[in-house]
Amino acid sequence: RKEVEQDPGPFNVPEGATVAFNCTYSNSASQSFFWYRQDCRKEPKLLMSVYSSGNEDGRFTAQLNRASQYISLLIRDSKLSDSATYLCVVDSGYSTLTFGKGTMLLVSP
Amino acid sequence: EAQVTQNPRYLITVTGKKLTVTCSQNMNHEYMSWYRQDPGLGLRQIYYSMNVEVTDKGDVPEGYKVSRKEKRNFPLILESPSPNQTSLYFCASSYVITSTDTQYFGPGTRLTVL
Repeated sequence: RKEVEQDPGPFNVPEGATVAFNCTYSNSASQSFFWYRQDCRKEPKLLMSVYSSGNEDGRFTAQLNRASQYISLLIRDSKLSDSATYLCVVDSGYSTLTFGKGTMLLVSP
Repeated sequence: EAQVTQNPRYLITVTGKKLTVTCSQNMNHEYMSWYRQDPGLGLRQIYYSMNVEVTDKGDVPEGYKVSRKEKRNFPLILESPSPNQTSLYFCASSYVITSTDTQYFGPGTRLTVL
C-alpha cells in the first residue's frame, strides 16, 4: 500500500505569518505531486502542482525532495482566506492518485 | 461553464435500498473516478475509469458498482447500501488518460444510510 503522510494539525497562525507544511510519501516511483486545498467538506481544488525544481505561485511555494521523499508547501503572508485543509497528493503509479489525510490551517486576525 | 456535477447532493436512505449517484462532466475528460471521504481517513478511491467501457477498482470498491457507457457520465451504484457506506462522496475527472493531470471534483454527495 502506497502511503502519503501529513501532520493533521491544526496549525494556528496569525494573519501575516509564514507557515510550512511537509508531506512524506512512500512510493519512490511516484512522478507527479500536487497540493490541493479543501474548504470545510467542500470539494478539493488544485492549489498547485509540485515540480522537481520547485515552483512558486504568488505567496505559495512548493518544493520536492526526491531523495528524502517529501514535498513541502510554504505560505507567506497568511490571509484569513487561507484557512482550509491542505491535501498532499501523489501519483501511485497505477493510474491513480493517493491523497494524504490533510493538514488543517487556521489563520486568525 | 466547465464543471463536474453530482446528484443528489444529499441523500438519506435505509439499509438495502438500491441507489445511484450520478456524475457528469462537460469537459470531454477521459478519466473519471469516485472517492469517498471519511473523518480521519481522508479521500479514498472507490473506482476509476480511463475511458468508455473501461473501469477498474480503486482502494475501497466493496459494495459499489460503476459503469461508463458514455464519456461524460460515470454513475456510482450501491446495490444494497449499508450503514458503513455513510460518507461524503466525490466524483472527479481529468483530461488525460492517466491520473496525473489536474483532477476536477464535483461538489460532493453526502450519503447517510440508516
